[in-house]
Amino acid sequence: NAGVTQTPKFRVLKTGQSMTLLCAQDMNHEYMYWYRQDPGMGLRLIHYSVGEGTTAKGEVPDGYNVSRLKKQNFLLGLESAAPSQTSVYFCASSYGQGPYNEQFFGPGTRLTVL
Amino acid sequence: GQQVMQIPQYQHVQEGEDFTTYCNSSTTLSNIQWYKQRPGGHPVFLIQLVKSGEVKKQKRLTFQFGEAKKNSSLHITATQTTDVGTYFCAGYSGGGADGLTFGKGTHLIIQP
Repeated sequence: NAGVTQTPKFRVLKTGQSMTLLCAQDMNHEYMYWYRQDPGMGLRLIHYSVGEGTTAKGEVPDGYNVSRLKKQNFLLGLESAAPSQTSVYFCASSYGQGPYNEQFFGPGTRLTVL
Repeated sequence: GQQVMQIPQYQHVQEGEDFTTYCNSSTTLSNIQWYKQRPGGHPVFLIQLVKSGEVKKQKRLTFQFGEAKKNSSLHITATQTTDVGTYFCAGYSGGGADGLTFGKGTHLIIQP
């Protein structure tokens, strides 16, 4: 099993460009999460999904959109990238409700917005 | 909203010394989880504490959950170079489907 995978691993964007980050898991997990990690800020939840076809906002959702069309995939979109979105993005999944179960993290995507 | 404070931000120790990181929440927690992130890596789950006053051990690591369920600690005995990384606590107050609130982490730096 691959666990949680993320593509791409690295990306450089110019301000105003758009992109989609893909997260895939092969563990049949219901819950999936997108976090961003900035120096000295820990991990902050952007959006999450409790099942196929559902999404919800986390702590820092502005400037991002998500979709969960298939149970195994969770996409994070940036419609108009800004330098403040320069960060490392981690996807995670869990079998049950994330706060009560171990979360499995992907390797991360390092995004730079110029 | 819920806040989880973690101290210290950085901790330098000599190999073989002990290490402790502390986590404090502004609200009572339903549970708390601990994760470790190696440099350049991703967070990896270590343990979850649920009960008031709970203590769990994993080899040289000891995890505690406070009686009031508002604080927690991770203690490593006799650190080794493999312990290098950032340790995060993550708490949940319950009452909804919201995610965990992570502390900012403690960076453990070990000098051989």
